[in-house]
Amino acid sequence: ETGVTQSPTHLIKTRGQQVTLRCSSQSGHNTVSWYQQALGQGPQFIFQYYREEENGRGNFPPRFSGLQFPNYSSELNVNALELDDSALYLCASSLGTDALGGYTFGSGTRLTVV
Amino acid sequence: GQQVMQIPQYQHVQEGEDFTTYCNSSTTLSNIQWYKQRPGGHPVFLIQLVKSGEVKKQKRLTFQFGEAKKNSSLHITATQTTDVGTYFCAGPGTASKLTFGTGTRLQVTL
Repeated sequence: ETGVTQSPTHLIKTRGQQVTLRCSSQSGHNTVSWYQQALGQGPQFIFQYYREEENGRGNFPPRFSGLQFPNYSSELNVNALELDDSALYLCASSLGTDALGGYTFGSGTRLTVV
Repeated sequence: GQQVMQIPQYQHVQEGEDFTTYCNSSTTLSNIQWYKQRPGGHPVFLIQLVKSGEVKKQKRLTFQFGEAKKNSSLHITATQTTDVGTYFCAGPGTASKLTFGTGTRLQVTL
């Protein structure tokens, strides 16, 4: 059973640029949720994807967008990067949208915006 | 919106001492989950509690869900250095998706 894999592991971008982060869900999981974790804080919910459509969104602006593919993998896109977007971006997969039974998290992508 | 607070923010104990973190939600929760995040790591699912007053144990860890389903606790007996990390509680929040608490960072020294 493969876990959740994220790429890249680290990334440095300049303010105003765009970035795409990738996530492969755990085998058998059909739902992907994305979280932003700033240093010293708890993960903040960005959005969730189920059946290739957005299924719930947290308090993040439209420049945060995503995709889910037929194989359940997912992408997180952030446009017009701001310094405050610097954080650890976590992808979590689950079987079903209500997370009963818990989320499996990937190791995350550490994004630094300079 | 829903808020999930944890206390304390940080606790430093000597190995062998006990540790407890408390989680309080501003709203009633259908279930509560606990995660552990090691330094430099990612959250790892520990357990889920669903019933009012439920108590579950995992070796030295004891988890409780309050009667009103608005609070929870995690107690570690006789801490070890391997217990170091940040412990998060999480419950259904915005759009019924998991909302994480503020976390309690545990440091254990010999």
